[in-house]
Amino acid sequence: EVQLVESGGGLVQPGGSLRLSCVASGLILTDHYMDWVRQAPGKGLEWVGRSTNKATSYTTEYAASVKGRFTISRDESQNSIYLQMNSLKSEDTAVYYCARDIVGAPSWGQGTLVTVSS
Amino acid sequence: QTVVTQEPSFSVSPGGTVTLTCGLSSGSVSTRNYPSWYQQTPGQAPRALIYNTNKRSSGVPNRFSGSILGSKAALTITGALADDESDYYCVLYMGGDTSVFGGGTKVTVL
Repeated sequence: EVQLVESGGGLVQPGGSLRLSCVASGLILTDHYMDWVRQAPGKGLEWVGRSTNKATSYTTEYAASVKGRFTISRDESQNSIYLQMNSLKSEDTAVYYCARDIVGAPSWGQGTLVTVSS
Repeated sequence: QTVVTQEPSFSVSPGGTVTLTCGLSSGSVSTRNYPSWYQQTPGQAPRALIYNTNKRSSGVPNRFSGSILGSKAALTITGALADDESDYYCVLYMGGDTSVFGGGTKVTVL
């Protein structure tokens, strides 16, 4: 059974940084495209970014709202993917989900809450 | 900036059929957008229903089906149950490894 577990959320001040982790079991992450998706309180889903698979060199793309501030990376030895978030703003407050290929072979984690507030 | 459009809300009677749509502010949705559909109830993670236009995720009953109808992607619920009362989101692949979600449709079963 595929399982994705996110961690690393919490309270951070505006302008601060946070790194979210997503560890996988039941699948080898290197084989898969992976997405990060977020949901602000009471709002809809927003695609944040994507990391392609190892065969396509782990290329990354980001939504305009986070480009230049967020970075996706992977650790093959840990079968994990990360979302480094810098220069955080109040509007980044959301539950963040990691997911395998949201349009191709979807499997999602349960999410981790990030709150940006002073 | 491309906007993905969904109906804000829909009401269906128990046992009835409802079709939700997912369009683009500019242009038509095609299978090349790999339209996918998610169901979400409050406090829960999204559940994948349909991916790549019409492929049903594991465990999803066959009363949920996906298609392209005209210029839009569509999710049809046949024989609606009370448990189907949820928010439904579509997502479209926009090329260049980017995707965009629609604003969601709130479905009420009554």
